[in-house]
Amino acid sequence: ETGVTQTPRHLVMGMTNKKSLKCEQHLGHNAMYWYKQSAKKPLELMFVYNFKEQTENNSVPSRFSPECPNSSHLFLHLHTLQPEDSALYLCASSQEVAGKNIQYFGAGTRLSVL
Amino acid sequence: DAKTTQPTSMDCAEGRAANLPCNHSTISGNEYVYWYRQIHSQGPQYIIHGLKNNETNEMASLIITEDRKSSTLILPHATLRDTAVYYCIVSSNDYKLSFGAGTTVTVRA
Repeated sequence: ETGVTQTPRHLVMGMTNKKSLKCEQHLGHNAMYWYKQSAKKPLELMFVYNFKEQTENNSVPSRFSPECPNSSHLFLHLHTLQPEDSALYLCASSQEVAGKNIQYFGAGTRLSVL
Repeated sequence: DAKTTQPTSMDCAEGRAANLPCNHSTISGNEYVYWYRQIHSQGPQYIIHGLKNNETNEMASLIITEDRKSSTLILPHATLRDTAVYYCIVSSNDYKLSFGAGTTVTVRA
């Protein structure tokens, strides 16, 4: 248990569906992240939020829409996805301390787009 | 952030020490070395980090060379549950961790 909880763990959706991924952290951290991990590829950073403000958008298509209502919750809203968006989506949180920034990850949501 | 180079894969025997090397020859003075691991289809797990001194915790030891251009992660007594992809990452405090391909470690009975 890392203190970062992601729901759902598995999601199957059609290309015309709208769904949301949820992430909650119980660590009191100020930064939260979304990563994408496609099959046999390294993790790709998608979005960074720091004190609820988006500080990084790594050229992510607009069909992925993040939302950070407070420092403990992060959502990823999905609409009109493509089959190539099927991947493991990981959430992480961190707190900068004395120049160090250790990220703690959730277990991920395995997304399949049909 | 500086780039890291790790072997693609390595095997080790259960109960023996596993030594995982990482090269980061372009590391700058304010960059930390972080190690994470990812067991199949789970989220990455933080293992250890260091700046210039050697570090040890309940999971592993981190040995950083004096010139900081390379480091070694040591798992003192590998178990089958240590089979995972291990990532060596160098980063300053800019909220970005760049995960490469890592080293696939297989612990064999």
